[in-house]
Amino acid sequence: AQTVTQSQPEMSVQEAETVTLSCTYDTSESDYYLFWYKQPPSRQMILVIRQEAYKQQNATENRFSVNFQKAAKSFSLKISDSQLGDAAMYFCAYSSLAGGSEKLVFGKGTKLTVNP
Amino acid sequence: ETGVTQTPRHLVMGMTNKKSLKCEQHLGHNAMYWYKQSAKKPLELMFVYSLEERVENNSVPSRFSPECPNSSHLFLHLHTLQPEDSALYLCASSQEASNHQPQHFGDGTRLSIL
Repeated sequence: AQTVTQSQPEMSVQEAETVTLSCTYDTSESDYYLFWYKQPPSRQMILVIRQEAYKQQNATENRFSVNFQKAAKSFSLKISDSQLGDAAMYFCAYSSLAGGSEKLVFGKGTKLTVNP
Repeated sequence: ETGVTQTPRHLVMGMTNKKSLKCEQHLGHNAMYWYKQSAKKPLELMFVYSLEERVENNSVPSRFSPECPNSSHLFLHLHTLQPEDSALYLCASSQEASNHQPQHFGDGTRLSIL
């Protein structure tokens, strides 16, 4: 079974600085999707960025980018020019392409604090 | 503003009560999901519906009973719950129940079992 590990329960960053959130996963599959979701205090889970495993190029979405290392099964999220609104729980998630059914496996999350 | 609306936002109930959680999506999606979010645990997928048919049931106890009358609405009927069922219950939807489709989440219902 696939597992997703976020080794940093909490992280903090100064406003305008850069922070990297770690995520590793375990799978025997070669094709899959990886996601980062953000859950602010309002609780609404929002998709931040998505990466297809077959793509070597790292996904980028404005100030958010990933460092996808397939061999190392690592999928870290880099937030550049951090803003106060980036403060949230961040969840890394894995989605298999096998089995025909939709199933997101989530990590336990990393709480990000942005200091002014 | 979310395209997925969940009601109620908070619910406190006794172990013998019967209540229902409601989820409505305004995105024209065909797939809907129930997740359970407990403190310090990963999000757990409970149920998946695709075009009103249940396609996944992740070994969820029978005291949780989902209902999907149409592709826009999803319910979670609760009865004789246990204290460990206290959690945030999140509803999500996606265009199709396929793996590359991003899921859109509601705000969740915070459930407390007395």
